[in-house]
Amino acid sequence: EVHLVESGGGLVQPGGSLRLSCAASGFTLSSYEMTWVRQAPGKGLEWVSYTSGSGSVIYYADSVKGRFTISRDNAKNSLYLQMNSLRVEDTAVYYCARFLYYGLPDLGYWGHGTLVTVSS
Amino acid sequence: EVVLTQSPATLSLSPGERATLSCRASQSVGRYLAWYQQKLGQAPRLLIYETSTRAPGIPARFSGSGSGTDFTLTINGLEPEDSALYYCQQRFNWPPLTFGGGTKVEI
Repeated sequence: EVHLVESGGGLVQPGGSLRLSCAASGFTLSSYEMTWVRQAPGKGLEWVSYTSGSGSVIYYADSVKGRFTISRDNAKNSLYLQMNSLRVEDTAVYYCARFLYYGLPDLGYWGHGTLVTVSS
Repeated sequence: EVVLTQSPATLSLSPGERATLSCRASQSVGRYLAWYQQKLGQAPRLLIYETSTRAPGIPARFSGSGSGTDFTLTINGLEPEDSALYYCQQRFNWPPLTFGGGTKVEI
């Protein structure tokens, strides 16, 4: 069974940094593309970042480009999101999500999310 | 960037009725549109992809249709457990993947 578990969220001041992790199990991480999606309190879904199975292709939303870095360690079955220069508007629940099938960006599996709060 | 507009914002229906949710794209997305269900306090769940293909484990009362810029999610025989937010998402022209603003279904 596919299982994704995020961790690393918390309270951070504006300008600070956090590193989110997503532990994957039940499948071979290197065979699947992964994304981060966030949801601000009471708001809709916003795609944040994407990485190919090998990590060689990476995309970011314009809202986080230059501040966030996605990475993965397939040997450790883990996906990461390094978030720097955090802003109040980055406050959200962050979900990691896996493509349902390789090459098709329909997000078939999601973690439970981890809350990031950026506030002074 | 493809903008997805969902309507109505809220749909209030009774058990057993049919729900019809709309998603309109700012430009053609072919048939590369998906639907997600999000219950309160939970992560989203993929219901439909490529306009009309149900994701694994999704009951047949959920169906999707449309193409180009206009898409519909239909839920037949509403059950109380179908109370949730529903989002559409396109992958025709990405990055970025974009989502609609959501429709709340109240049973």
